[in-house]
Amino acid sequence: DQQVKQNSPSLSVQEGRISILNCDYTNSMFDYFLWYKKYPAEGPTFLISISSIKDKNEDGRFTVFLNKSAKHLSLHIVPSQPGDSAVYFCAASAGGGADGLTFGKGTHLIIQP
Amino acid sequence: GAVVSQHPSRVICKSGTSVKIECRSLDFQATTMFWYRQFPKQSLMLMATSNEGSKATYEQGVEKDKFLINHASLTLSTLTVTSAHPEDSSFYICSARPGISDTEAFFGQGTRLTVV
Repeated sequence: DQQVKQNSPSLSVQEGRISILNCDYTNSMFDYFLWYKKYPAEGPTFLISISSIKDKNEDGRFTVFLNKSAKHLSLHIVPSQPGDSAVYFCAASAGGGADGLTFGKGTHLIIQP
Repeated sequence: GAVVSQHPSRVICKSGTSVKIECRSLDFQATTMFWYRQFPKQSLMLMATSNEGSKATYEQGVEKDKFLINHASLTLSTLTVTSAHPEDSSFYICSARPGISDTEAFFGQGTRLTVV
């Protein structure tokens, strides 16, 4: 039973356009959500997070939106750059982030020139 | 951000032997460290949570006698894969959290374990 789902294994976006990565979750105990970027054979790199008390958090080119009623969050990257090509993992935690993370399977984002 | 160092980055071992993986927080003290495992094209799966000075908490389905975790200091946690089997071949990643109230966890570079 997958509690965090990223239904798009891959996404191709043209450079300069907006990349939108989606994530759904089923566990209503999750109250903290994070997005990580990962290159092959490396550990994940933290991008941005959001607490369940908010519906939006912005950091530079990255914005995360949270829709609690739909149990859905999305990561927007604008404008997309070639260096953004990587696998993006959505992760969730309960207890305000005190618990370990539950990850989705990841979405491979490919930025085309 | 804070730095978490994991060593080794890659290891090959024979079946039946044991392998130790180290996870160090270089510029902060980590009261809690997490160990994850990733199979090819799969998500990272939480294996266990270790708190400094106490026993690790293992996720369901993870054999605690096979995956020994020691968090002896605030900057070091080790994962020992005992009696390694080819099925244990995987990518192991640790993460460390600076404090109880801090929610951001920093990840190590990962260790690619191949059991032959």
